[in-house]
Amino acid sequence: DIVLTHTPLSLSVTPGQPASISCKSSQSLLHSDGRTYLYWYLQKPGQSPQILLYEVSNRFSGVSDRFSGSGSGTDFTLKISRVEAEDVGVYYCLQGLSLPYTFGQGTKVDIK
Amino acid sequence: QVQLQQWGAGLLKPSETLSLTCGVYGGSFSAFYWTWIRQSPGKGLEWIGDVFHTGSTKYNPSLRSRVTISVDTSRRQFSLELTSVTAADTAIYYCAGVPGKAPDYWGQGTLVTVSS
Repeated sequence: DIVLTHTPLSLSVTPGQPASISCKSSQSLLHSDGRTYLYWYLQKPGQSPQILLYEVSNRFSGVSDRFSGSGSGTDFTLKISRVEAEDVGVYYCLQGLSLPYTFGQGTKVDIK
Repeated sequence: QVQLQQWGAGLLKPSETLSLTCGVYGGSFSAFYWTWIRQSPGKGLEWIGDVFHTGSTKYNPSLRSRVTISVDTSRRQFSLELTSVTAADTAIYYCAGVPGKAPDYWGQGTLVTVSS
């Protein structure tokens, strides 16, 4: 199975400040079709996960442009340009390259 | 907009069969892979498997021997069965709709506890 590793595991951020989360894959997520199947989710307290970004950097409908994604191959980053109170929760990356699809262990973000 | 509503028993004894169903409201039923994912403190988020409207399925190899995911297109529902449950199967189970590779839509989650 592909293993995804988050860094850091927790993050405390002052409102208005940026935040960055890393997700490293045990193997490249670049498919032969040229697409990279790496996704980002946010699970707010008491809620189901919600998709933020698909295929590394594409924002899902309705997602704030404060969220951006970058990376290639095995190294990926989610950035929040200015953290707001509503951004608290656990962020997960997910790989859709090969079965079984796997999630990272998550990064918990809270507000200082 | 797709909405998912799931239901099923939340308390099981060891060796029993877990059974959950998810209803799909809105959207094109044939456009998604209908997926089950579970979340536990020990294993985090774990992809269980999915079913297409044709009935074609994919399963996590770690669970394949115990899992069946089925679909009822006429009712716009899909179901999960997991046999011979143990305490290790205690988790929140989510149904989800996947248009490509990753879930865009999630059910509300069902806490399933396995305890004697």
